[in-house]
Amino acid sequence: AQKITQTQPGMFVQEKEAVTLDCTYDTSDPSYGLFWYKQPSSGEMIFLIYQGSYDQQNATEGRYSLNFQKARKSANLVISASQLGDSAMYFCAMRGTNTNAGKSTFGDGTTLTVKP
Amino acid sequence: EAQVTQNPRYLITVTGKKLTVTCSQNMNHEYMSWYRQDPGLGLRQIYYSMNVEVTDKGDVPEGYKVSRKEKRNFPLILESPSPNQTSLYFCASSRGGMSYEQYFGPGTRLTVT
Repeated sequence: AQKITQTQPGMFVQEKEAVTLDCTYDTSDPSYGLFWYKQPSSGEMIFLIYQGSYDQQNATEGRYSLNFQKARKSANLVISASQLGDSAMYFCAMRGTNTNAGKSTFGDGTTLTVKP
Repeated sequence: EAQVTQNPRYLITVTGKKLTVTCSQNMNHEYMSWYRQDPGLGLRQIYYSMNVEVTDKGDVPEGYKVSRKEKRNFPLILESPSPNQTSLYFCASSRGGMSYEQYFGPGTRLTVT
């Protein structure tokens, strides 16, 4: 089985500041993929960033970076220079291999509010 | 335009009346999956398909059926809907393998009374 835990139901950040959204995971797979998705109030799901379990470097995509600490089983999303448009729900997710091939597990999400 | 489409977008129905939510993708993706989203519970996987004629249960399959007769289509069937299946449903697709992001449909808001 695989599990994703997001412990922050809601977060606030001031515009232009950086914010870290926490994600811890658990899996028995030797290799796996970790993802972050954004869901604005309009409801669509938007892919942000991917980290493979064997990747040596932390993933970055523009203002998004993933702080991957494999030993601690954490995959935190860092958003730099927050913008008002970053206000949304953010989901951490995992895809597995072996017995979990095809399984896709999401956390409960963190609602981020960016204050002007 | 690469996309995942779902129909209908909104549906209000009554307990026990069979319904189908269609999902179609135009990206030739091998993998497709259905999720339900409930407040405070994130997205929970209902069923997934690794390829044509290959489907498997996710975490919450009870009360749902799926089929994958063609690569592009992955319908979700509720044979006897109940009020606890009131939810927001998402279909998603991706290339095969753990390293590929999923492309999501716009969602179907289902209410069962």
